[in-house]
Amino acid sequence: AQSVTQLDSHVSVSEGTPVLLRCNYSSSYSPSLFWYVQHPNKGLQLLLKYTSAATLVKGINGFEAEFKKSETSFHLTKPSAHMSDAAEYFCVVSDRPGNTPLVFGKGTRLSVIA
Amino acid sequence: GAGVSQSPSNKVTEKGKDVELRCDPISGHTALYWYRQSLGQGLEFLIYFQGNSAPDKSGLPSDRFSAERTGGSVSTLTIQRTQQEDSAVYLCASSSAGPYEQYFGPGTRLTVT
Repeated sequence: AQSVTQLDSHVSVSEGTPVLLRCNYSSSYSPSLFWYVQHPNKGLQLLLKYTSAATLVKGINGFEAEFKKSETSFHLTKPSAHMSDAAEYFCVVSDRPGNTPLVFGKGTRLSVIA
Repeated sequence: GAGVSQSPSNKVTEKGKDVELRCDPISGHTALYWYRQSLGQGLEFLIYFQGNSAPDKSGLPSDRFSAERTGGSVSTLTIQRTQQEDSAVYLCASSSAGPYEQYFGPGTRLTVT
């Protein structure tokens, strides 16, 4: 079975400093990986996705993630945090190839300090 | 265009009552998913419909939970004899044949008292 581990339940950064949210995955095949963001009282929004094309994936709002097969990692980064980035972030793997259910990590809450 | 919509946005019910939650997927999306988000369990898959195939019910926590999808579009998730542990946010998502991105609705917050 596929799974994801988000290594930090809470990350706090100062505005303007880099963001790193860590994710490791386990998959028996070449996975599709996603990062979703959930702002307070809002729905889940797709930030970016990896589906076996370029290993460095760029998403919305300046976020990007790098797929590293050797490390089974898919960490999310952003060069400079903004106050509006404060939210819950989920690393997600597809359960199997194609249109299939998603397996979510436990989430990382990002706080941005002014 | 319109996204995934869910109704009601909030539902408070008494323990033992039945509830129905509705999901309207994005038009033309062939796949529809139900997930549950709760404090203790995080986000977990419940049930999945793909076209006219039999649904994948592997995530349903008990036989009190069921779902149907009529006409390949709207879906209803039914919880019978609700229990307090059913309190959660129920999320619906839909996706097209490719590239498999799932678009989520705003959710229904269910509170069982």
